Amino acid sequence: DAGVTQSPTHLIKTRGQQVTLRCSPKSGHDTVSWYQQALGQGPQFIFQYYEEEERQRGNFPDRFSGHQFPNYSSELNVNALLLGDSALYLCASSSGTIRVGETQYFGPGTRLLVL
Amino acid sequence: GDSVTQMEGPVTLSEEAFLTINCTYTATGYPSLFWYVQYPGEGLQLLLKATKADDKGSNKGFEATYRKETTSFHLEKGSVQVSDSAVYFCALSPGDQGAQKLVFGQGTRLTINP
Repeated sequence: DAGVTQSPTHLIKTRGQQVTLRCSPKSGHDTVSWYQQALGQGPQFIFQYYEEEERQRGNFPDRFSGHQFPNYSSELNVNALLLGDSALYLCASSSGTIRVGETQYFGPGTRLLVL
Repeated sequence: GDSVTQMEGPVTLSEEAFLTINCTYTATGYPSLFWYVQYPGEGLQLLLKATKADDKGSNKGFEATYRKETTSFHLEKGSVQVSDSAVYFCALSPGDQGAQKLVFGQGTRLTINP
């Protein structure tokens, strides 16, 4: 049973460019959440997708956008990259069923470096 | 807003020592509480969780009890091993609905020396 997969594993971009990161959820999961983890910090919630719509959003600017496809996979897009966007981007999947304490399963992450 | 505060790291212990990593939280309502672990070069793995007051989560010798009166969820292990070296994150899921966002603490780096 494949877990959460993310691509690419590493990426180098320059300021002002745009980037797209991809995530495939764990089998049987229909909800995808994205997190940004700066070096030495805990992950920060960016947004969550369920049924191809953004269900929740954290405190991130509109430069961060996403999409969920009918097969539940998801993309994170970041426009007009800034140096401060350099981080590990984590994708997590879960079941969309409303259930207390639902566990989110994380992928290995995409490490983005902005020069 | 909701927040999680963890014990400052890094923490260095000898093998077979007793481990405690403190975690306190601020949240409205009744959050679910989690401990995740991140091994070098890997993503986060769920270590244990608790969904209501006085629940004890446990896994791989680690334990944590949901204490509503002290808003705490401290992680403990009686005898640590070198393989436990990793970064540990305490997190909460707000409210009473599943699949909500996770709010993480800043992480505690643990190093176990043989």
